[in-house]
Amino acid sequence: DADVTQTPRNRITKTGKRIMLECSQTKGHDRMYWYRQDPGLGLRLIYYSFDVKDINKGEISDGYSVSRQAQAKFSLSLESAIPNQTALYFCATSDPPQYEQYFGPGTRLTVT
Amino acid sequence: AQSVAQPEDQVNVAEGNPLTVKCTYSVSGNPYLFWYVQYPNRGLQFLLKYITGDNLVKGSYGFEAEFNKSQTSFHLKKPSALVSDSALYFCAVSRGNRDDKIIFGKGTRLHILP
Repeated sequence: DADVTQTPRNRITKTGKRIMLECSQTKGHDRMYWYRQDPGLGLRLIYYSFDVKDINKGEISDGYSVSRQAQAKFSLSLESAIPNQTALYFCATSDPPQYEQYFGPGTRLTVT
Repeated sequence: AQSVAQPEDQVNVAEGNPLTVKCTYSVSGNPYLFWYVQYPNRGLQFLLKYITGDNLVKGSYGFEAEFNKSQTSFHLKKPSALVSDSALYFCAVSRGNRDDKIIFGKGTRLHILP
């Protein structure tokens, strides 16, 4: 089984709808991250969490919110989706001292 | 603030030839440097990292990277390219302390030509 899973894998939604993307991990890592990938822009950090009680904004957090329900679960919500939030979204985990991140397979979100 | 630059959007290499994917970084203090690879319709996979020690680090799939502090570079290399190496490659940098947000470059698409 994959160490980092994301659901759904694909989602099409309409402008103004609320949507939640979910991430679960079995690596036992404390640190979890949400990124979005856009062509030509690389990966941009939306939110990150170093433990259940520690949530931090990344470089593009406007329009997004997160919930860290447990060490293994980190959800990303779009309260009112807009078309420029159409992107590929990745969840990742890491832990010191290794620091390298382990990524989920991604969620392709389309907002029409 | 840390940053990372991948100056080439795309690199084309003939199969069997050596390949280099370039990365330069800017960070205060000692950098933690990473390379990741993304195959189509997949998440990113960790290839290798430099934290300390030998400037030449070896990673998965025969890749290696050389840390050059004076040039603030961390170029990815492979002596002999395979068609299966065709993918999107990301360089990333962190300061390695508690606030270890990893900043990614925009990616370089590597095409290995048969």
